[in-house]
Amino acid sequence: EDKVVQSPLSLVVHEGDTVTLNCSYEVTNFRSLLWYKQEKKAPTFLFMLTSSGIEKKSGRLSSILDKKELFSILNITATQTGDSAVYLCAVEGGTNAGKSTFGDGTTLTVKP
Amino acid sequence: DTEVTQTPKHLVMGMTNKKSLKCEQHMGHRAMYWYKQKAKKPPELMFVYSYEKLSINESVPSRFSPECPNSSLLNLHLHALQPEDSALYLCASSQSLGQETQYFGPGTRLLVL
Repeated sequence: EDKVVQSPLSLVVHEGDTVTLNCSYEVTNFRSLLWYKQEKKAPTFLFMLTSSGIEKKSGRLSSILDKKELFSILNITATQTGDSAVYLCAVEGGTNAGKSTFGDGTTLTVKP
Repeated sequence: DTEVTQTPKHLVMGMTNKKSLKCEQHMGHRAMYWYKQKAKKPPELMFVYSYEKLSINESVPSRFSPECPNSSLLNLHLHALQPEDSALYLCASSQSLGQETQYFGPGTRLLVL
């Protein structure tokens, strides 16, 4: 059975701190790994990773994939209170195209 | 237009009611998805449509019935639901199946009494 594990489950930091969120996976026929940010409503897309070792960056956020060790990290530098959210990692793979397995998410709280 | 819209935003229904959730996108995406999300849990995939044909049904009970009338619309028909079906129902779309970013709608928050 496909499995995605995120750690830590929750994290409390202060503004300006740097955080690293982890996502490890066991998925057959891996196709891609996606990071989403979910505040009170629907998940919003952050990154899609398909190749090992290539860092994707968007402002203060960056992410990288290691397909050999089967994990990804999401880094957020100089955190702000607006970064408070649940960060979801999803991996697409398996025999059915279109099926994403989600991790349980990391709840990040950034205090002023 | 990079938006997925869902109606209604909130729905309260009794266990004998019949209702429908609607999802619409005008991005030309050919894959559309229904997810169910309970509080403090990740989204769980229910159904996937590709080119208006049902591609994945994750063993969802028959009281949930999806329908894809055209490439822009996705419905979820609800009948004889149980209180444990109360959840946030999310629709998403992607360009196609596989290796594609999914764009989520705002969801319909459903309460079954």
